[in-house]
Amino acid sequence: DIQMTQSPSVLSASVGDRVTLNCKASQNINKYLNWYQQKLGEAPKLLIYNTNNLQTGIPSRFSGSGSGTDFTLTISSLQPEDFATYFCFQHNSWPYTFGAGTKLELK
Amino acid sequence: EVQLVESGGGLVQPGRSMKLSCAASGFTFSDYYMAWVRQAPKKGLEWVASISYEGSSTYYGDSVKGRFTISRDNAKSTLYLQMNSLRSEDTATYYCARHGAALDYWGQGVMVTVSS
Repeated sequence: DIQMTQSPSVLSASVGDRVTLNCKASQNINKYLNWYQQKLGEAPKLLIYNTNNLQTGIPSRFSGSGSGTDFTLTISSLQPEDFATYFCFQHNSWPYTFGAGTKLELK
Repeated sequence: EVQLVESGGGLVQPGRSMKLSCAASGFTFSDYYMAWVRQAPKKGLEWVASISYEGSSTYYGDSVKGRFTISRDNAKSTLYLQMNSLRSEDTATYYCARHGAALDYWGQGVMVTVSS
């Protein structure tokens, strides 16, 4: 099975900061990496699919990059509503797997 | 508007069975793979299972393989998850999700608690 490792597990930042979240796959997953945002008590929300495609309705301050095994989610200027937990997810091969998440908290 | 509404959760004893349903609307159900994803309390997300358009192909996570069965009824636009031999570690919120290029739409989730 493909293991997905996210770093850091917790990231403290301020409104207006530029932040980068990392996700590393244990083997090549090509471009098949998605990013989700989850707030407490809510279902996850798709932000980015297939590495760098912005889901409809998601602000352009969110962007994704990477290939193969190393991927990043960048938020160019943090807004108050962005403080949440972020998960990466590989759908290159079965069984699909999620990373453990990065909690983005207010500094 | 795409809507996914899960039902069928609750409290169940270890070793017993439970069947979850997910009613879909706002899109052509048979045009999409569908999936179940779960989240144990205060834990991360775990992909559970996926099913192809007509149900001919199914895929499972290692932790549920042989115990859970995903199925669908395209005439009713409904996804199912039959869960047998339930264990305490199956306690989680179960989400159904539409499976396009990504898991793009999710239901609100249904809680399953496995406890004696």
